[in-house]
Amino acid sequence: AAGVIQSPRHLIKEKRETATLKCYPIPRHDTVYWYQQGPGQDPQFLISFYEKMQSDKGSIPDRFSAQQFSDYHSELNMSSLELGDSALYFCASSKRTVTDTQYFGPGTRLTVL
Amino acid sequence: GEDVEQSLFLSVREGDSSVINCTYTDSSSTYLYWYKQEPGAGLQLLTYIFSNMDMKQDQRLTVLLNKKDKHLSLRIADTQTGDSAIYFCASFAGTASKLTFGTGTRLQVTL
Repeated sequence: AAGVIQSPRHLIKEKRETATLKCYPIPRHDTVYWYQQGPGQDPQFLISFYEKMQSDKGSIPDRFSAQQFSDYHSELNMSSLELGDSALYFCASSKRTVTDTQYFGPGTRLTVL
Repeated sequence: GEDVEQSLFLSVREGDSSVINCTYTDSSSTYLYWYKQEPGAGLQLLTYIFSNMDMKQDQRLTVLLNKKDKHLSLRIADTQTGDSAIYFCASFAGTASKLTFGTGTRLQVTL
């Protein structure tokens, strides 16, 4: 079965640079979520989109922005990167139903030097 | 806000049962999930339970929910070395789309 695809899998950036992470949801899923997992931490919700509109917003810094495109893929744009942004970034997708069960991608490991 | 707590570490012998516990605070949680994360890998959905159920069994996995005490547990029967991972419980309230994760329990399976 098709899963959530994230690219790139690994990314190394310098401080103050920008990064763009991409997420391709499971086919026919209409909702995309972004989570950030710091080292030894649990995943923290950043933002979500349903049918290309922002649905919910968590602890996403103002330096970050995201959108969902007409083909339902999503991009997380991160600017003025800081050392503390080094983390695993997960995308999840779901089909909006009563359960809204979220399926996670393999994650993008971002390292900021 | 919602708070989800788990014990940090559990060590069991291969072939024994493992029980991982989770407590949550949001009484409006509608679904509770268990995810497995192996080192450097993504979050694999194991199972979930609806809040009006008190038990769900899925092969080696048994989920018990005590809604009154807001306590959730995951029992893994006949634990194998391949079960070694971090296990996260997560709550979904339905009023917002996000999952709130617990702190994760690292399960170590010894021979």
